Amino acid sequence: EAGVTQFPSHSVIEKGQTVTLRCDPISGHDNLYWYRRVMGKEIKFLLHFVKESKQDESGMPNNRFLAERTGGTYSTLKVQPAELEDSGVYFCASSPGNTIYFGEGSWLTVV
Amino acid sequence: AQSVTQLGSHVSVSEGALVLLRCNYSSSVPPYLFWYVQYPNQGLQLLLKYTTGATLVKGINGFEAEFKKSETSFHLTKPSAHMSDAAEYFCAVTSSGGSYIPTFGRGTSLIVHP
Repeated sequence: EAGVTQFPSHSVIEKGQTVTLRCDPISGHDNLYWYRRVMGKEIKFLLHFVKESKQDESGMPNNRFLAERTGGTYSTLKVQPAELEDSGVYFCASSPGNTIYFGEGSWLTVV
Repeated sequence: AQSVTQLGSHVSVSEGALVLLRCNYSSSVPPYLFWYVQYPNQGLQLLLKYTTGATLVKGINGFEAEFKKSETSFHLTKPSAHMSDAAEYFCAVTSSGGSYIPTFGRGTSLIVHP
């Protein structure tokens, strides 16, 4: 069974540009989560989808971040325009219930 | 509300020595507890979890953890460290009711010396 897959694995963009991160959850998992870890800090929750609906987006830092989950399958997280402080690793995770499985992460560097 | 405290941002052990990584949690409802490991430049891998039942849980790679409600702790141990255990370890807590959104500790980097 395939795990949570994320793309791209690494991205380097200039300040002001746009980046879109994609996450494919484990097949059949209704719950999808986005987390972020900025260098040296803790892993922070961004938002939670149940199928295509945003269940909780209390962790989204500001309106430069937009997450979607088309048809309850894959999800995208767009950062527009990117700022230097957005650099970090963005983790996607999915779960069928009480155990969450993470992807490999998308490493974003904004220069 | 829930929170996790991991004591020690870095723990250093010799190969073959006991590994002990500490985790204390705060939760207003019965918790579910997890340990994840992140190897360099990799994602988060689930090591083990406690949801209900036996309070001593065994995970992958010889790790285990014990849920102690009275101490609000979920420390991770391994009897004998291996060089390949060098990684960052994260303790996480979710509530037993609701949306199961885990809250993470700050992580502990395990350094294993030959």
